[in-house]
Amino acid sequence: NAGVTQTPKFRVLKTGQSMTLLCAQDMNHEYMYWYRQDPGMGLRLIHYSVGEGTTAKGEVPDGYNVSRLKKQNFLLGLESAAPSQTSVYFCASSETLEGGNIQYFGAGTRLSVL
Amino acid sequence: GQNIDQPTEMTATEGAIVQINCTYQTSGFNGLFWYQQHAGEAPTFLSYNVLDGLEEKGRFSSFLSRSKGYSYLLLKELQMKDSASYLCAPMDSNYQLIWGAGTKLIIKP
Repeated sequence: NAGVTQTPKFRVLKTGQSMTLLCAQDMNHEYMYWYRQDPGMGLRLIHYSVGEGTTAKGEVPDGYNVSRLKKQNFLLGLESAAPSQTSVYFCASSETLEGGNIQYFGAGTRLSVL
Repeated sequence: GQNIDQPTEMTATEGAIVQINCTYQTSGFNGLFWYQQHAGEAPTFLSYNVLDGLEEKGRFSSFLSRSKGYSYLLLKELQMKDSASYLCAPMDSNYQLIWGAGTKLIIKP
């Protein structure tokens, strides 16, 4: 049982390049999330999904797009990368959205934009 | 606005006890989570409190006071492997987790 798997683990981009981060979960969870984590700050929610075919904006959605075509996969896209998007990106999933519901995290993607 | 406050760094000795405090202000409240995050790794779930009081789970305990907007994580019999960051995350009225910046705990032999 792999849990939540993120690819790639590391990536270096030049300003203006595009890329897609892939998140896959094998727990049959309805909810999936993309966060970014920057030094000295808490995790910030970029986008989330409450089920296959749905997406919603989080706290910091600008510059990112997402898609949830299959229940097990949640993709995060950067259309035109900027140095401000240098960060560690974490994907998470949960069974429901309500209180007491544990979010399970992937190992993270470390992205540098030069 | 929503705000989470926890100490940036704490140091403790192997075998001792440490308490990590967290104060919060959120729009609504649906419980509070504590996660552990080792350097370079993913956050992992430690505890969840929704009612006032102490929840004990082995060497780790978590306390909540909703009226004071306050929680703490208590770690007993500290081991070197407990060196990590501890993230406080209350859940707001929209069931979104609001994450603190984390407390880096350094354990010394």
